Amino acid sequence: EVQLVESGGGLVQPGGSLRLSCAASGFTLSRKWVHWVRQVPGKGPVWVSRLNADGTSTNYADAVKGRFTISRDDAKNTLHLQMNSLRAEDTAVYYCASASGSGWWPDCWGQGTLVTVSS
Amino acid sequence: EIVLTQSPATLSLSPGERATLSCKASQSVSSSLAWYQQKPGQAPRLLIYDASNRATGIPARFSGSGSGTDFTLTISSLEPEDFAVYYCQHRSSWPPTFGQGTKVEIK
Repeated sequence: EVQLVESGGGLVQPGGSLRLSCAASGFTLSRKWVHWVRQVPGKGPVWVSRLNADGTSTNYADAVKGRFTISRDDAKNTLHLQMNSLRAEDTAVYYCASASGSGWWPDCWGQGTLVTVSS
Repeated sequence: EIVLTQSPATLSLSPGERATLSCKASQSVSSSLAWYQQKPGQAPRLLIYDASNRATGIPARFSGSGSGTDFTLTISSLEPEDFAVYYCQHRSSWPPTFGQGTKVEIK
């Protein structure tokens, strides 16, 4: 079964850091477009970051640029999102997503992990 | 940033009826548009990509059309499991953005 499972969310104080992980099973993340998307409950999803298939290019939403870093560990078949200098407005459910095939569109999504930034 | 505007905000229909959802882009996105379904507590589920291609495992009652700035998602005959929120999303430029969603509810 093709599956993504996120971990690493939780409660963190403003200014703190968290590292989200997304483990793939049933397919390999290597050479796939991979993405992080977040969603405040009751609101629409928002793209956070993406990494291209060959790992040479990343993009970040303006709201997280310079604070978040996306990376992929092909040996562990895992995607990461390092989040530093967290702010209250980063509070959301974070989803990892990937194309299971060779295209761009993410047809495989994790279950989501809640990040809460609060003192 | 390209803005996607979905209408209507809410669609109240009965099972078996046809649903027609609209998505308008603030500038052309060519055919680089997808539709997702989201149910409470779940991740978005890719239904349609590149405006008109059904994702793997998506029933034939879901269809997408359009190009440029005007797009439509049609559900030919609503099943009970189709009542959910639907989002359109483009990938024409960075950042990819979602519309605000259309909720399809049971009448």
